[in-house]
Amino acid sequence: AQTVTQSQPEMSVQEAETVTLSCTYDTSESNYYLFWYKQPPSRQMILVIRQEAYKQQNATENRFSVNFQKAAKSFSLKISDSQLGDTAMYFCAFMKEQQGGSEKLVFGKGTKLTVNP
Amino acid sequence: DGGITQSPKYLFRKEGQNVTLSCEQNLNHDAMYWYRQDPGQGLRLIYYSQIVNDFQKGDIAEGYSVSREKKESFPLTVTSAQKNPTAFYLCASSPWSPTSYNEQFFGPGTRLTVL
Repeated sequence: AQTVTQSQPEMSVQEAETVTLSCTYDTSESNYYLFWYKQPPSRQMILVIRQEAYKQQNATENRFSVNFQKAAKSFSLKISDSQLGDTAMYFCAFMKEQQGGSEKLVFGKGTKLTVNP
Repeated sequence: DGGITQSPKYLFRKEGQNVTLSCEQNLNHDAMYWYRQDPGQGLRLIYYSQIVNDFQKGDIAEGYSVSREKKESFPLTVTSAQKNPTAFYLCASSPWSPTSYNEQFFGPGTRLTVL
């Protein structure tokens, strides 16, 4: 079974600064996807960024980027130029690649990020 | 607008009563999912369905039941057998392709409180 661990229950950062959220995972699968989801106070889950395990290049989406270390099973999220709207719970999630069917997401426990003005 | 609707947003029930949470999608997605979220926990999968009239148990299915009579709808019933039903429930859906990644889209959630 896959597990996802987020070791930082809470973090804070000043507006315009950079912050990195950590995530490690455990799996015996070779092909899988990793995700960072954002859950603001509205509690709507929003996909921030996705990484395919077979890609060596780290994914980026505007101010959000990841550091994917497959051998170390590490998948951190870097938020640059932090904005007040980035205040949210951030969840790291894992999905194994499966042909011929849907597959579930396995989530970490989340990191609560607060961006201070 | 295409999307996922969950109703109601807040739900209160007395202990021992069954309650059904609604989830509807108009995205023409084949697969639908139910997750449970507790404070300090990530989301955990309750049930999922890949196609109409078929569904599979997730990691925490005990005390829950589902049906999938229509592609658009995937209601979740929380039964009296569920020992600790108070939680936030999220429904999701995804398209299905055997050859590519299928992104899950989430509804706004239902907060269930059992008194």
